[in-house]
Amino acid sequence: DTEVTQTPKHLVMGMTNKKSLKCEQHMGHRAMYWYKQKAKKPPELMFVYSYEKLSINESVPSRFSPECPNSSLLNLHLHALQPEDSALYLCASSPEGRRDPSNYGYTFGSGTRLTVV
Amino acid sequence: AQTVTQSQPEMSVQEAETVTLSCTYDTSENNYYLFWYKQPPSRQMILVIRQEAYKQQNATENRFSVNFQKAAKSFSLKISDSQLGDTAMYFCAFMKRNRYGGSQGNLIFGKGTKLSVKP
Repeated sequence: DTEVTQTPKHLVMGMTNKKSLKCEQHMGHRAMYWYKQKAKKPPELMFVYSYEKLSINESVPSRFSPECPNSSLLNLHLHALQPEDSALYLCASSPEGRRDPSNYGYTFGSGTRLTVV
Repeated sequence: AQTVTQSQPEMSVQEAETVTLSCTYDTSENNYYLFWYKQPPSRQMILVIRQEAYKQQNATENRFSVNFQKAAKSFSLKISDSQLGDTAMYFCAFMKRNRYGGSQGNLIFGKGTKLSVKP
């Protein structure tokens, strides 16, 4: 299995809703990431988990709350979002620790298209 | 701090022809990876090719090859025999490498080049 699976693919939510985005990988990768991507822009890093511990939080508003229940799963909990939070949310994973550099790289999911109304 | 610059916002090429996408970067690091990612309208970010900075040999993957000039901090992507399915946004990306071969820090993206392959 060489995939990162994200659900749902599309999500429309109101500003008072609570929802969660899910990400799953079974490649044995020990680093997982959430990125936010606006149209025609590169992805922007939000959070990094390394060995299930939050290692980077790029000053993301508290209305976004990440969770890493185990080494295969990554969630992003959403609450009281604003219309400007509408974007494509990408999950990615990568191997960590000792490994063959020729195989190194991030694997991305296909994203969740989020619309906040 | 590291920066990645893609100076061509949009490019087009005729099917079966060759096209080169430019990327320059700035870093004081000596050990790092460079990547080209492809993002088609389906929006999945797909790894096209990777280059390890300590390797002088340019990476190739089928129709995709790079011209890596470490001293000039240049990392261009050449697509040969362009196909309609190559139509996508292409991002150049940089990452510091730790001593174990893994990452050290964030994957830093350029702004992207939108490539259109015309029939």
